[in-house]
Amino acid sequence: EADIYQTPRYLVIGTGKKITLECSQTMGHDKMYWYQQDPGMELHLIHYSYGVNSTEKGDLSSESTVSRIRTEHFPLTLESARPSHTSQYLCASSDPSGRWAGELFFGEGSRLTVL
Amino acid sequence: QKEVEQDPGPLSVPEGAIVSLNCTYSNSAFQYFMWYRQYSRKGPELLMYTYSSGNKEDGRFTAQVDKSSKYISLFIRDSQPSDSATYLCAMSPSGSARQLTFGSGTQLTVLP
Repeated sequence: EADIYQTPRYLVIGTGKKITLECSQTMGHDKMYWYQQDPGMELHLIHYSYGVNSTEKGDLSSESTVSRIRTEHFPLTLESARPSHTSQYLCASSDPSGRWAGELFFGEGSRLTVL
Repeated sequence: QKEVEQDPGPLSVPEGAIVSLNCTYSNSAFQYFMWYRQYSRKGPELLMYTYSSGNKEDGRFTAQVDKSSKYISLFIRDSQPSDSATYLCAMSPSGSARQLTFGSGTQLTVLP
């Protein structure tokens, strides 16, 4: 079972609020990811991190930002939430030296609703 | 046009049935093919992983890749209610998770 944790699991907030979605993993993986998942749609990569202090934008443009100052921690921040940010956000990690290099270990997700 | 197409379902079958889930793709560079299972209100978890063409079997699950047709399948034999989930195909030109492209998922319900 993957040891990757996301908080909060559910969040309902008003427009204009700043929010941070937390993601932590205890597997020591260097590579971490944030995906956005909407009902009936593909997972889209919005942020990627190779390791501490190394992040890049994903394939889907996002107004969110991320930081990686510790290997185990990869928070995502929205400075001013809008209804268009309503979605499920999934955090994941991977280990290139693991059984399958392309395997992603996912957290349970943070479902964000912006009113 | 999407790089990966997956029938969203929903698909409902009786317990014990053989289930066939499929994806088609357009990018001939894809070499690594995966199936993830996602239970309701959970994150996806890797179910099957194959490289290039051919079949791979793991218990009741068989993954099949036909690169000439750009078509992949997941077969579930003797389906169980516990198999009820959304199944996501994913593929990559390399072994890197960074380059994964996901399908939109097929929702499966196995009725007792």
